[in-house]
Amino acid sequence: GQQVMQIPQYQHVQEGEDFTTYCNSSTTLSNIQWYKQRPGGHPVFLIQLVKSGEVKKQKRLTFQFGEAKKNSSLHITATQTTDVGTYFCAGPERDDKIIFGKGTRLHILP
Amino acid sequence: GAGVSQSPSNKVTEKGKDVELRCDPISGHTALYWYRQSLGQGLEFLIYFQGNSAPDKSGLPSDRFSAERTGGSVSTLTIQRTQQEDSAVYLCASSLVPVVRGGTGGLNEQFFGPGTRLTVL
Repeated sequence: GQQVMQIPQYQHVQEGEDFTTYCNSSTTLSNIQWYKQRPGGHPVFLIQLVKSGEVKKQKRLTFQFGEAKKNSSLHITATQTTDVGTYFCAGPERDDKIIFGKGTRLHILP
Repeated sequence: GAGVSQSPSNKVTEKGKDVELRCDPISGHTALYWYRQSLGQGLEFLIYFQGNSAPDKSGLPSDRFSAERTGGSVSTLTIQRTQQEDSAVYLCASSLVPVVRGGTGGLNEQFFGPGTRLTVL
């Protein structure tokens, strides 16, 4: 079946440094979603990418969808302590199943 | 309600007992999803409902797991003869339209409930 791999699993950065997480699917995705889960919380929707090569920005966050629609990335510029959490990508498999990556847990060192 | 609600928030049960978890999606959301999240792990897809029907139940971990949705709204996830490996947080999410339909405007954004933390002793 379809697999969605996300790397790295963990990332420690100094506050102010940049951070990137990568998501790779074994199959082409019709769309990809990104979620953030704070410690002890539930996933919260960040963004959805639909078009090949699409790039979207949200303040310090930049999201990209690959040309082949099989990979995606989330880049955070100048991390802040509020960025702490786990970032997940998710994509649909067939018409009825959602595959989440295992997430990248971001730790910010003060 | 304002968001997705789940009950109970915490459930501690003994091995072998049955448990029922409830999800109230956002009013008007046609799609409903159940996930399981073990400590420090990612989200494991369990089942998806479009209206009252679940096109594919193969994501359920075993035949001890079942789910239903009535009236296109509330859903219950039932685990029979619970085992210790069932311990996890069970998350429910709903979206206005199914995720697969993509589209712009985030109509298929999944709104997650706070989850039910299940502990099987």
